[in-house]
Amino acid sequence: GQNIDQPTEMTATEGAIVQINCTYQTSGFNGLFWYQQHAGEAPTFLSYNVLDGLEEKGRFSSFLSRSKGYSYLLLKELQMKDSASYLCAVRDARGDNYGQNFVFGPGTRLSVLP
Amino acid sequence: ETGVTQSPTHLIKTRGQQVTLRCSSQSGHNTVSWYQQALGQGPQFIFQYYREEENGRGNFPPRFSGLQFPNYSSELNVNALELDDSALYLCASSQQGFNTEAFFGQGTRLTVV
Repeated sequence: GQNIDQPTEMTATEGAIVQINCTYQTSGFNGLFWYQQHAGEAPTFLSYNVLDGLEEKGRFSSFLSRSKGYSYLLLKELQMKDSASYLCAVRDARGDNYGQNFVFGPGTRLSVLP
Repeated sequence: ETGVTQSPTHLIKTRGQQVTLRCSSQSGHNTVSWYQQALGQGPQFIFQYYREEENGRGNFPPRFSGLQFPNYSSELNVNALELDDSALYLCASSQQGFNTEAFFGQGTRLTVV
C-alpha cells in the first residue's frame, strides 16, 4: 500500500528553525519531494532527495533515509511568508518509464508567528 | 510562475453534469499528470499522460478520463459529476526522465452543487 504521514499542523516563531518530519511506506520509490503550497495556490517545488543524506538550498534543507522510510524538511530563519502547507511526496517508480506520479502526504500547515 | 496554465480557474457545476478542464504544459515538457486535492488534504494522483497515451492511473473511476494533444496540452473530463468531486484539480507538467521535477499549474477550483 501507499502511506505517507506528516504532522497536520505546526507553529513556530519568526526567526526560529522548524523541522517537518515525513514517514513513508510505498510500493515503489523514485525520489522524495517537498512542495510548499500557500492557501488557494499551486504547490511549488522546494527540494528533492533520491539518495540518503542532506540536501541544502538556502534556508531550506531536506534529509532522506531510505532504509527508515523517513525524511524531514528543515526551515531556518523563519519568515512570516513561510506560513503555508508543506507537502511531502514520494514519486512512484514505474520501471523504465520514470513516471511523474506522486503520492502525497496530507500536508503540514505551518503557522509562523511574530 | 511555472509556465503551466490551467483553465478555467473556477467552475460551478450541477450534480450529474459533465466538465472539461484544460492544462497547457510548460514548454519542453512532454508529460502531464492530473491530481485532485480536496480541502485540507494532499493532492491525489488521477492519471498521467505521456506521448498522448495514458501511462499511469490512480484510484479513480472510469468517469474520470483525459486526453493529451500533440502539443502536450491536456484535458481532464469528468462525467456524471458527484458532490464529492468538488475539489481543486491540479495539473503538473514534467519532462520524462529520472531527475526531473514536476511543475504545477494554479489549479481549477470545481464546485459541484
